Amino acid sequence: GQQVMQIPQYQHVQEGEDFTTYCNSSTTLSNIQWYKQRPGGHPVFLIQLVKSGEVKKQKRLTFQFGEAKKNSSLHITATQTTDVGTYFCAGPLNFGNEKLTFGTGTRLTIIP
Amino acid sequence: NAGVTQTPKFQVLKTGQSMTLQCAQDMNHEYMSWYRQDPGMGLRLIHYSVGAGITDQGEVPNGYNVSRSTTEDFPLRLLSAAPSQTSVYFCASSFTDRSTEAFFGQGTRLTVV
Repeated sequence: GQQVMQIPQYQHVQEGEDFTTYCNSSTTLSNIQWYKQRPGGHPVFLIQLVKSGEVKKQKRLTFQFGEAKKNSSLHITATQTTDVGTYFCAGPLNFGNEKLTFGTGTRLTIIP
Repeated sequence: NAGVTQTPKFQVLKTGQSMTLQCAQDMNHEYMSWYRQDPGMGLRLIHYSVGAGITDQGEVPNGYNVSRSTTEDFPLRLLSAAPSQTSVYFCASSFTDRSTEAFFGQGTRLTVV
């Protein structure tokens, strides 16, 4: 079964509030990727984190990779209606076997 | 650039029918894969290929076949459709299998009745 879990599964926020989704792996990851899928759309790559403890920012989005490389988070500051969608983390579960395993996703809805 | 092109976008099948979902990419990517997406399950890997002539099973391969005769094309065949295969199917490609950015097609929404 899937070994990359995300919480929460759903999140409803008022526009302007912050949002965070958490990704946890049962094994150490060589890297982690984040994707966004708009309603009715396909997943689109956002970012890749490689180093232990790495933090990257894209405008209002902040991505973190845990020190043990088994967890990650995506934080959105001051959400906007354009942030609506499902956010997935993905990572290769086994070193040397680089097939991406996707998390279960967090679906974000914004209340205007 | 077209990127990753999937056809058809929508399909309704009767139980027991077979069909092929087409996937083509024009980015000269070596690595291609097929996922299915079901509510609450995220994206689950069906089959993947690390290059022409090489394919392997993913997490949920039963009921599906693939082949990779060219770098560009990676069709997914449903041998005998079952209602449990009702899902949205995504094809993806990346430069290598070393976990670089994956590019996804638009998806095929399949309903098996």
